[in-house]
Order: sequence, then structure tokens, then C-alpha cells
Amino acid sequence: AQTVTQSQPEMSVQEAETVTLSCTYDTSESDYYLFWYKQPPSRQMILVIRQEAYKQQNATENRFSVNFQKAAKSFSLKISDSQLGDAAMYFCAYRSGYQAGTALIFGKGTTLSVSS
Amino acid sequence: DGGITQSPKYLFRKEGQNVTLSCEQNLNHDAMYWYRQDPGQGLRLIYYSQIVNDFQKGDIAEGYSVSREKKESFPLTVTSAQKNPTAFYLCASSQPGGAEDEQFFGPGTRLTVL
Repeated sequence: AQTVTQSQPEMSVQEAETVTLSCTYDTSESDYYLFWYKQPPSRQMILVIRQEAYKQQNATENRFSVNFQKAAKSFSLKISDSQLGDAAMYFCAYRSGYQAGTALIFGKGTTLSVSS
Repeated sequence: DGGITQSPKYLFRKEGQNVTLSCEQNLNHDAMYWYRQDPGQGLRLIYYSQIVNDFQKGDIAEGYSVSREKKESFPLTVTSAQKNPTAFYLCASSQPGGAEDEQFFGPGTRLTVL
């Protein structure tokens, strides 16, 4: 069975600084997708970024980028130029690529606080 | 606007009662999912459905039931057999095989047992 581990329950960063959230996963599959979701205080889940396992290039979305290390099964999220609105819980998630429509497997989350 | 709606936002249940959480989507997605969120636990899969009239148990299906009679609707019933139902419940949908196959989430329902 696949598992996702987020080892940092809480992280903090100052505005305009950079922070990296860690995620490791365990799988025997070679075809899969990885995601970072943001859950602000409203509790609405928002997709931040996704990475296909077959792509070697790290995904980037504006201030958000990932460091995908497939051999190490590591998938960290870097937030650059942090803003107060980035304060939220962040979840790392895995989805098998072998069958469409399979559910996500989530880590336990990292709560990010941003100070001015 | 296309999206997922969940109702009610807050729900209170007495011991021994069954309650049903509503999830509706107008994204024309084939797949729908129910997740449960507890503090410090992340999201855990309760049930999912890849097509109308078919659904599969997730990791924590005991004490829950679902139906998928219509493509746009996937209600979740929390039965009296669920011993600790107080949690935040999230519904999601996706279009398998689509360009992104991204899961979109509803705003959630907070269930509290009195």
C-alpha cells in the first residue's frame, strides 16, 4: 500500500522569505501523480501544484515550486516570497496512475504560519 | 458557475441517529469521493464512485453508506454504527482520463455528535 508522510506538523516563515515543506512517500508503482493542496482557515481545499512521476522537470506555479526526487521518493514544496495569505495547512497527496479515477492518499498535513 | 456544493455546512446528530450529508456537482464529472478529516489525521477516504450505480469502499467505510443514482449526486449517510462520527467531511469529484484528472473539492460539512 502507498503511504505519504509529512514530518513537519508546523512550520513558520516571515513575509517575503522562503520556506520548504517536506513530503516523502512510499510506493512500488512507477506511474503516479503527486500533489500539494492548500487548506486555508475557510477549509476549502485548493490545488497548489501537481507533478507527474514520468516528468523529470520539477513543476512550478508562480511562487510555488517542487523538488521532486523520484529515487529518494521525496516531494518537497518551496514557497518563495511568502505572503500572509499563504498561511494555511498544506497537504501532500499521492494518486496512482494505473487507473483513472482512483482516490488521493494524503499526508497528515503541515500547518504554515506567516508573520509580518 | 461550475463547482461542488455540500450541505448542510454544520450538522448536529444525536446518539443513535442516522444523518445524510449532501454532495452535488455540476462539473459533469464521472468520479466522486468522500473523505473524512480529523485533527492531525489528514484526509482519509470513506467511499468513492467512478461511475453511476457503482461505488467502492475506502479505508474507513465502516459505519457509512453511500448511493450514486445520479451522476451529479453522491450522498453520504452516517449511520448509528459509526462510533465516532464527529469530524469534517469533504466531497470531491474528478473526470477520470481527462487532461488533468484533478480532484475538485466541496466546502465541507462539519458533523458534531451531541
